[in-house]
This record gives sequence, structure tokens and C-alpha cells, in this order.
Amino acid sequence: ETGVTQTPRHLVMGMTNKKSLKCEQHLGHNAMYWYKQSAKKPLELMFVYSLEERVENNSVPSRFSPECPNSSHLFLHLHTLQPEDSALYLCASSRLDRDREGYTFGSGTRLTVV
Amino acid sequence: AQSVTQPDIHITVSEGASLELRCNYSYGATPYLFWYVQSPGQGLQLLLKYFSGDTLVQGIKGFEAEFKRSQSSFNLRKPSVHWSDAAEYFCAVGPTSGTYKYIFGTGTRLKVLA
Repeated sequence: ETGVTQTPRHLVMGMTNKKSLKCEQHLGHNAMYWYKQSAKKPLELMFVYSLEERVENNSVPSRFSPECPNSSHLFLHLHTLQPEDSALYLCASSRLDRDREGYTFGSGTRLTVV
Repeated sequence: AQSVTQPDIHITVSEGASLELRCNYSYGATPYLFWYVQSPGQGLQLLLKYFSGDTLVQGIKGFEAEFKRSQSSFNLRKPSVHWSDAAEYFCAVGPTSGTYKYIFGTGTRLKVLA
């Protein structure tokens, strides 16, 4: 257990479904991140939330919609996904005033789009 | 531009042998440097970090890394590899100037032969 909890661990969804990924941390961190990890590709930063405000959106398709209701929770809402969206989705958190500590990652959600 | 390079995509070593994983970075100032490990289907776990002081840093699981400014390198080492060390290893530098982002390398996958 790293302190960052992601649910569900595995998700299989059809292209017409709507689902959400959840990330929760109680580390006192104030920045949260969504990363996509596909096979044989580098980690892709999708979204950054700083103090609950979205500060970065790296040209992510609108079928991915993040939400950060408070500093402890982060969601990724999914709808009308494509098979190429199948990947491991990782949540991470950090303290903005403690850059040297690095990120704490969750265990990820393995998403399969059928 | 800031970047991180891990030149080796795959490395195979025998159990009990020594290990060195390479990481080179490009960064405008003294960087914060990190090594993470990812076991299959899991998130990334912080192994060790460097931000100042002694250039040889110790981490968890018997790993160490040496910061060499002249070579812009931060190589990860372990004197004797165990089968449980088989995983993917990521070097990271950051945060990038004016952001909260860390830059990750593309990873090195370690295979350990019994």
C-alpha cells in the first residue's frame, strides 16, 4: 500500500460504456496527476491538478474527463473509448512545496476497451 | 530542452551478479533525480532520490545510485541481484522549470536468470 489508492484495479468496458476511475490519497499532498502507460510507450502525462485546479491537459481527447472535487480525490471519467485507449492508468500525487520528494504512485487501473 | 535518457531497453543478468542501469539527463540547473521500480501490473515505487549533498545515495532494496554532474548521469547499481528484482526501472528528473512535472525516461526492463 503506497498511500495512493486506485479503484478499480481492472476494468473491461465496451466502447459505448461510461465508467469512472477513482484515485484517493491521504498523504497531505496537494497536486495530483493522471498518467497513461501503454505497452512499449513512455509514460504519458494526461492531466495535472494543483490545489484542485486543473493546470495541465496534454491534448487528451475529450472522451477522457478528469475531476478533482478536493485535494484527496481524483477521478477520470471515461466515455465512448476506443480500443487504443486500453492501457494502465496511473494516478500520482505530490506536495507542491516538496519537489525533492517526488511522486507517490497508485497501483494503477488496467483498462481494456472491447 | 530537459530530457532523460535510459539507453538500455532490456538488460538480463544472472542472479547474484552485479547490476548497473544507466540514466543520462539534460537539465538547466541542479536537478532532482529519482529512480522508480515497477513490478508487473503495479504502480511505480520510489527506490531512491538525489537533490543535493553526497553524490552516492542509498535506497531501498539494496540499491544505490551515483550522481555525476560532469557526465550528466545518475546510474543505478546493486552489488548482487535477486530474482525478485526483475521489474522495469524508470529514471526521472524534475520538476521541470515552472511546472510541477517530472520527466521520466522510457524505462529499462530487467530480467534475472536463475
